[in-house]
Formats: sequence, structure tokens, C-alpha cells
Amino acid sequence: QSALTQPASVSGSPGQSITISCTGTSSDVGSYNLVSWYQQYPGKAPKLIMSESSKRPSGVSNRFSGSKSGNTASLTISGLQTEDEADYYCCSYGDNYDFLFGGGTKLTVL
Amino acid sequence: EVQLVESGGGLVQPGGSLRLSCAASGFSFSSYNMNWVRQAPGKGLEWVSYISSSGSNKYYADSVKGRFTISRDKATNSLFLQMNSLRVDDTAVYYCARTPDWGTLDYWGQGTLVSVSS
Repeated sequence: QSALTQPASVSGSPGQSITISCTGTSSDVGSYNLVSWYQQYPGKAPKLIMSESSKRPSGVSNRFSGSKSGNTASLTISGLQTEDEADYYCCSYGDNYDFLFGGGTKLTVL
Repeated sequence: EVQLVESGGGLVQPGGSLRLSCAASGFSFSSYNMNWVRQAPGKGLEWVSYISSSGSNKYYADSVKGRFTISRDKATNSLFLQMNSLRVDDTAVYYCARTPDWGTLDYWGQGTLVSVSS
């Protein structure tokens, strides 16, 4: 059981928008603006696509956006493309000098 | 270009030991905190350990506390993970990752596979 809760899977059609949620507690996600998101293709290393809840690293498409409200962070991908099909993980500082990960969400682009 | 290259993985029997290395280049290694993160086959990501830029602060996941030791060498720009008393459930791909601040892992290596089996 992962520390942060994500839906196991989401799907969407090309051009649509999807949102992946990441729910923690008032001790982690709710207390700090230190949520990050990672994209991982099969057999590859994770790649940072969002930091501090809503900051997009250089080179990451502006189709990716992040937000946080209370104990839940969200990643939205707009204008879905087939290349977005991957696993997505959220991560938060855990208030005990640790990192907490979500269980991961498999995005399928139909 | 930031590069992190892990090595040292392999097959080991339960109760055995292994030492992982991560060679860093393309950035000022001594200025960054570093982490190890693992991923069991078909499973999600699990944070393993953190070391501060100076090496003076080290933290571990409860699942590895007392068995794993993180260290770093600024002379060789290398990060290490000494793994003792290995268990079958330590089987995973181990990644080293750079940390600019708590909550963010901005660069990752390609990973090294550790298999614990008799």
C-alpha cells in the first residue's frame, strides 16, 4: 500500500484532457508545496515533469499542468497525444525526512 | 549535461551483500543532495535513502533501515549504497536521483537491477 493514493488507470482520446489525482494527508501533501510528478515509459527511468505542485521544468510541454488543493494534488494533461501514454507517479515530502510516492497511474490514450 | 550512471547490481542470495555505485557528471556533485529510489518488477517507485550534499545527514526508509548505508565521495563524484542482509523483497531496479530540494528528484540514472534469490 502506497503512502499517496492515485487512481490505478486513466484513459482519454487524442486531443482530450485528463486529470490524475494524488491524495495524501495533512502531514505531507497538505502541509507542504513539495509535490512532484514523474512520467515513466516501460523499461525507462522516471522523468520529472512537475515540481513544487505546479512548476514545469524547462523542456516539458505546456500541455502538462499541476495544482494542489488541501491534501490532494493533481496533474492535468491537455491536448492528449499518443506519446503521453505512460505511467505517472506523484511524490511528496513526507514530513519525516523522507519522500512518499503514489502507487502510479497508467495513462492509456485510446 | 547531467548524467547519473549506476552500476553494481546483480544476482545475490538472501542474506548476502551488494554495493551499488552511481557516477555523477555534468554538474557540481558536491552541491546537491542525492537519493536512491527503487522499483520492484511491475511495481511502483519506493524511496530508499537520502544523503545531504555534505554527507552529514542521511535518512532511510523503514524497510531498509539498519541494513543499507548510503555514502558519497566528492573526490570521485560518486554515490554509493551498501546493502547488507539482503532479502527477496529487496529485488528491484535501483535508481540514483539528484535532489535540488525535498520533494523533487530532478535527474535520474538509468537504474541497476538487483535480484535477490536462492
